[in-house]
Formats: sequence, C-alpha cells, structure tokens
Amino acid sequence: AQKITQTQPGMFVQEKEAVTLDCTYDTSDPSYGLFWYKQPSSGEMIFLIYQGSYDQQNATEGRYSLNFQKARKSANLVISASQLGDSAMYFCAMRRGGGADGLTFGKGTHLIIQP
Amino acid sequence: ETGVTQTPRHLVMGMTNKKSLKCEQHLGHNAMYWYKQSAKKPLELMFVYNFKEQTENNSVPSRFSPECPNSSHLFLHLHTLQPEDSALYLCASSQGKPDPNSPLHFGNGTRLTVT
Repeated sequence: AQKITQTQPGMFVQEKEAVTLDCTYDTSDPSYGLFWYKQPSSGEMIFLIYQGSYDQQNATEGRYSLNFQKARKSANLVISASQLGDSAMYFCAMRRGGGADGLTFGKGTHLIIQP
Repeated sequence: ETGVTQTPRHLVMGMTNKKSLKCEQHLGHNAMYWYKQSAKKPLELMFVYNFKEQTENNSVPSRFSPECPNSSHLFLHLHTLQPEDSALYLCASSQGKPDPNSPLHFGNGTRLTVT
C-alpha cells in the first residue's frame, strides 16, 4: 500500500521568503509519480508540479520546484519568493505507475503568507 | 474557468432523500474520479472510471452509486445518507491510459450537508 506523510499541519512565512513544504512517501512499486496540488479557500484543487520516479532532474515549474530525494523517499515542494496569493492548503500525492489509478494524498499543509 | 464542472456547488439533503451530483469534463480525458474530502482527513478516493468502465471502488458504501455514461460525464447518486457523509465531494479527470502519470484536473467540488 502507498502512503504519503506531510508532517507540517501549518506554516507561517513572511512574504518574499522561500518556503519548503515537506513530503515523504512509502511505496514498494519501482515506478510511481509524485504530484503537488494547491487548494485555496475556494476549494478547487490546482495541479502545481509532477515528478516521475525515473526522472533524473528535479522538476521545476515557474516559482515551484520539487526537491526529489529518491533514497530518502522524500519529495519536498519549494516555493521561491512567496506571495500573498500562495496562502492555501498544499497536498502531496502519489500514483503508482502503469495505470490510470487515482492519486493517494497526504493530509496537507496549511500555508499562510504574512505581509 | 475550470475544465471540470461540478453541479450543484452546495447541497443540503435529509437522510431519506435521493439526490445526484454531476460532473462534466471538457478536456478530452479518458479517466474520471470521485473523491471525498472531510475535515482533517486526507482526500479519499471513492471511484475510478477508465473509458466508461469502473476500474476502482475503494470499499465505498452502497448508498453511493456512481454512473459514467460516457468519458465526459460522471454522476454520483446518493440515497439514505448519514450525517458523517457530509463533506466536499470532488470530481477529477485525467488522460488515463496510456499516459499513467498525467495529473488529475479537479472541479470546484460539491459541498454536501446531510441533516
């Protein structure tokens, strides 16, 4: 069975600072994908970034980057130069490779950016 | 505007009522999903459909009955619900096979309250 652990229930960060949101995972599958989503108070889940288990490079998408450490089974999300609009819940998720299975989600981190 | 549309946005129903949640995706995807999001819990995968065929049912009680008439539409029929079924119900879609690591695209959800 797969499991995602996010150990930070909440974080307060000053605007313009970089933020690291932690995520560790557990799986016995050799092939898997890791995803990060943002959920503002409006409720919609917004896809941010994806990392495949066989990808050699860490994924980057604009201000978002994924610090993937396969041996440690961690996939931390880094947000550079945080903005007030980054305040939201952030979820780490995983899908085992080879099919169109649903994603397994962590409990999330509530990020609040302070001016 | 989201490519996945859910209606209604809010629903209040009694335990003896029958209602349906509707989801429509305009992204040309082949896989669709129902998730339940309760307070302080990770998102729970309920059902997965690939090319209109149900491929996953995560031990969901029979009072929840999904229907997928085509790859663009997904319904969740509700009957004799319990107060603990009150939650945000999220629909999502993805490319599915043969692209197993495509991200899920979510709708805004239906906030369900069972009285």
